[in-house]
Amino acid sequence: NAGVTQTPKFQVLKTGQSMTLQCAQDMNHNSMYWYRQDPGMGLRLIYYSASEGTTDKGEVPNGYNVSRLNKREFSLRLESAAPSQTSVYFCASSEYVGETQYFGPGTRLLVL
Amino acid sequence: AQTVTQSQPEMSVQEAETVTLSCTYDTSESNYYLFWYKQPPSRQMILVIRQEAYKQQNATENRFSVNFQKAAKSFSLKISDSQLGDTAMYFCAFNSNQGAQKLVFGQGTRLTINP
Repeated sequence: NAGVTQTPKFQVLKTGQSMTLQCAQDMNHNSMYWYRQDPGMGLRLIYYSASEGTTDKGEVPNGYNVSRLNKREFSLRLESAAPSQTSVYFCASSEYVGETQYFGPGTRLLVL
Repeated sequence: AQTVTQSQPEMSVQEAETVTLSCTYDTSESNYYLFWYKQPPSRQMILVIRQEAYKQQNATENRFSVNFQKAAKSFSLKISDSQLGDTAMYFCAFNSNQGAQKLVFGQGTRLTINP
C-alpha cells in the first residue's frame, strides 16, 4: 500500500517548456488535489477533483491544467512553464471532499 | 474567504519539554474541520491531528493534543514530552464542510527540538 505517489521527484525546465506531473493513489479515494508550496508559505490549492470526471479551480489555477484520468490518477500540466512556477508541488487525496487529505512526497520543480 | 493565521514563525524548546503552537482562523461557518500537519525536512506532509468543529471534546493523539476554542476561533497544538523527531514545520489547516471545500493552510511554525 504505497498511498499517494508522485513522479518525477525533481525536474528542471526552461522557460516555455511544457511538462506533466503525475499523481496516483491506491487508497480508493474519490477526491484528489494539487497544491504548490512556495518558501515561507503554506500550501495553496491549484486544482482539485471532487470525484472521477470532475475538476475545479482552486486558489491559484492560472498557468496549469489538470486531468483526472481515472479514479486513481490525477495529472497536472504546465503548458508553458514560467520562472514564477518554480515551487514544490504536492498531490493529495481524500475519501471525499472535506475529509482528511493524505499527501504524496512532492515534486520539486525549477524553471530557469 | 477563510483565513488561517499562525503567529509564531519559529519556536525552539529542549527535548522532553512541552510546547504549544498557536493557530487562529476566520470563518462564518459553523461546521468545519481543523487539522495540524507536520512537515519534516523530508518535505512529506504528515497528518498529526484532526478536529471536527461540531465536537466539543478536544482531539488527542498520543503526545499530541489540541485546545479547540470555537468561539474564539482558536486551535492550538500541544506537544508533550517533545522528542528530537518532532523537529519540523507545523501547519494548521482549515477545511470547510460546505460549498467549494478546500484545505486552507497557515504560513507554518518551524519547531526545533534541542537535545
